Amino acid sequence: DAGVTQSPTHLIKTRGQQVTLRCSPKSGHDTVSWYQQALGQGPQFIFQYYEEEERQRGNFPDRFSGHQFPNYSSELNVNALLLGDSALYLCASSWGQGAYGYTFGSGTRLTVV
Amino acid sequence: GQSLEQPSEVTAVEGAIVQINCTYQTSGFYGLSWYQQHDGGAPTFLSYNALDGLEETGRFSSFLSRSDSYGYLLLQELQMKDSASYFCAVYNNAGNMLTFGGGTRLMVKP
Repeated sequence: DAGVTQSPTHLIKTRGQQVTLRCSPKSGHDTVSWYQQALGQGPQFIFQYYEEEERQRGNFPDRFSGHQFPNYSSELNVNALLLGDSALYLCASSWGQGAYGYTFGSGTRLTVV
Repeated sequence: GQSLEQPSEVTAVEGAIVQINCTYQTSGFYGLSWYQQHDGGAPTFLSYNALDGLEETGRFSSFLSRSDSYGYLLLQELQMKDSASYFCAVYNNAGNMLTFGGGTRLMVKP
């Protein structure tokens, strides 16, 4: 039973560029939530996707956008990258929009230079 | 909004018991969870408390007092592999998103 898979594991981008991160949820899960974790801090909620729609959004600018595909996988897109976007981006999957018992992926470490 | 406070670091010796406290402020309360995260790894779910009292899962226990907006994670018979960061997190009213605390880094020494 595969867990949550995220790709790539590491990424280096230049300020102003755009990036796409990918997530495949755990088998049986239909909801994907994205979190940003700065070094030494707790994860911060970006948004949640369920039934291919954004259902909840945290306090992040419109530069952060996403998508969910019919197979429940998801993408996180960040435009006009800033140095402050450097962080670990975590994908959490769950069932039926709930956050209980999230299964997290190991994340994508994004470095903006 | 929601906010949580927990100590930034705790050190304990192998075999000991350690308690990690968490206080929270939230406009509504759905439940409190604890997650463990090793360096470079994924956060993993440890426990969930929606009602007052103690929940026990093996060497780990979690306690909640809703009247005090307070919870703690108790780790018994500490092992070296327990060295990790521990996060408390509260759910929003709909139970579909988590707000995490800043994390407590636990160092277990021989």
